Amino acid sequence: QQQVKQSPQSLIVQKGGISIINCAYENTAFDYFPWYQQFPGKGPALLIAIRPDVSEKKEGRFTISFNKSAKQFSLHIMDSQPGDSATYFCAASISGNTPLVFGKGTRLSVIA
Amino acid sequence: GAVVSQHPSRVICKSGTSVKIECRSLDFQATTMFWYRQFPKQSLMLMATSNEGSKATYEQGVEKDKFLINHASLTLSTLTVTSAHPEDSSFYICSARDRSGVTDTQYFGPGTRLTVL
Repeated sequence: QQQVKQSPQSLIVQKGGISIINCAYENTAFDYFPWYQQFPGKGPALLIAIRPDVSEKKEGRFTISFNKSAKQFSLHIMDSQPGDSATYFCAASISGNTPLVFGKGTRLSVIA
Repeated sequence: GAVVSQHPSRVICKSGTSVKIECRSLDFQATTMFWYRQFPKQSLMLMATSNEGSKATYEQGVEKDKFLINHASLTLSTLTVTSAHPEDSSFYICSARDRSGVTDTQYFGPGTRLTVL
C-alpha cells in the first residue's frame, strides 16, 4: 500500500512558468511534510517543509499548499528556471523517530 | 543548513568482497540515522533505521546479515555490504535526523555509488 501518492511522474514547464507537483497521503497521523530536490548522482536536498497547522508556507520561489481535509499537499515553483530541472520527492512522517515515507518522485524539466 | 557526509562517494569492487560506507553528521548530533537504497529513476527505498547505541531496525525484505549497520556514535553510522554481488549494485544514501530543532528535519548525504563486478 503506497502511503504517499505523487503526481505527475514527469513534468515539462517553460522557463518562467509555474511548476506544480501534487501529493496525497492516507495516514492521518502524518504531521510533517517535506519536499526534497534531487539532482542526478546526488543525495536529496531539503527544499521546504510544512506541518498541518498551516495551510501554506512560502520560501522564495517555492510554496507548499496544504489541505488537511483532503489529505493533499502540493509544491509550487514560481518563475521556474532551467536550474530547477531535477527530481522532486514529497514525503511524510509522524513526529518522533519514524522514518520518512516518500512519494515516487516527479522529474521536472524546465525548458527555455 | 546541517551537513551530512558519506564516504566513499563511489566504489567498485569484485563479487564476494565486503564494502563499508560511512555516514557522518558534521555539525549536529544525530541520534537516528537512516539508510536508503535507490535504483535508477526510482524513489528512495528505506533499508534500515539506525539508533545510536542500539541495534538497527531493518525493513521487511532487507537481509540484516548482508547489510550490517553500526551506529557507534552520535555522528557516525556505517553500512557494510557483506559478500557483495552484482545485484547489490545501487546508489546508497544515508540521512540523519537533527533532533535539536522543532521539525525533526532529516538531512541526506550525497550518496555512495556501489558497483559490484
